[in-house]
Amino acid sequence: EVQLLESGGGLVQPGGSLRLSCGASGFTFSSYAMSWVRQAPGKGLEWVSGISGSGGSTYYADSVKGRFTISRDNSKNTLYLQMNSLRAEDTAVYYCAKMLRIVVVAAIDYWGQGTLVTVSS
Amino acid sequence: EIVMTQSPATLSVSPGERATLSCRASQSVSSNLAWYQQKPGQAPRLLIYGASTRATNIPARFSGSGSGTEFTLTISSLQSEDFAVYYCQQYNNWPPWTFGQGTKVEIK
Repeated sequence: EVQLLESGGGLVQPGGSLRLSCGASGFTFSSYAMSWVRQAPGKGLEWVSGISGSGGSTYYADSVKGRFTISRDNSKNTLYLQMNSLRAEDTAVYYCAKMLRIVVVAAIDYWGQGTLVTVSS
Repeated sequence: EIVMTQSPATLSVSPGERATLSCRASQSVSSNLAWYQQKPGQAPRLLIYGASTRATNIPARFSGSGSGTEFTLTISSLQSEDFAVYYCQQYNNWPPWTFGQGTKVEIK
């Protein structure tokens, strides 16, 4: 059974940093691309960042480019999102997501339960 | 960036009836289109990918069609567990992948 478990969310002040983690199990982690997708309270879904199975290719939404960094440790079956210079508009539930393929051009077939990030003073 | 537009915003349907949800892309996304279902307090769930391929364990009452810029999700006979918000998403022109704003299917 595929499981994705996010951690690292919480309350942070504007300009602060957080690192999200996502532990994966139930599949060969290195064989699939992964993404982070967020959902602001009461709003729709917004893709944030994606990374290929090898970790060699990374992609970002313009809204987070230069502030967020996606990475993965295939030896630990873990996906990360380093978030710096956080803004109020980054407040959202952040979902870890497994792609259907090793490359990022694919749908998301599994989602974690999400971790809430609140940026507020 | 490709803009995905879903209609209607809210669809009121009686149990057992057919529901038809639409998704339009601002430019062609070929068949690289997925549909997700999201219930309150839960993560989204993949229903359809490749515009018309049902994901694992998705009931046959869910079907997807279309290509290019016009797509449809049809729920042939709504069950109580199908009342939720549905999102389309393109993964053809990226980054970024983009989602529609969602269609809420509610009980009539």
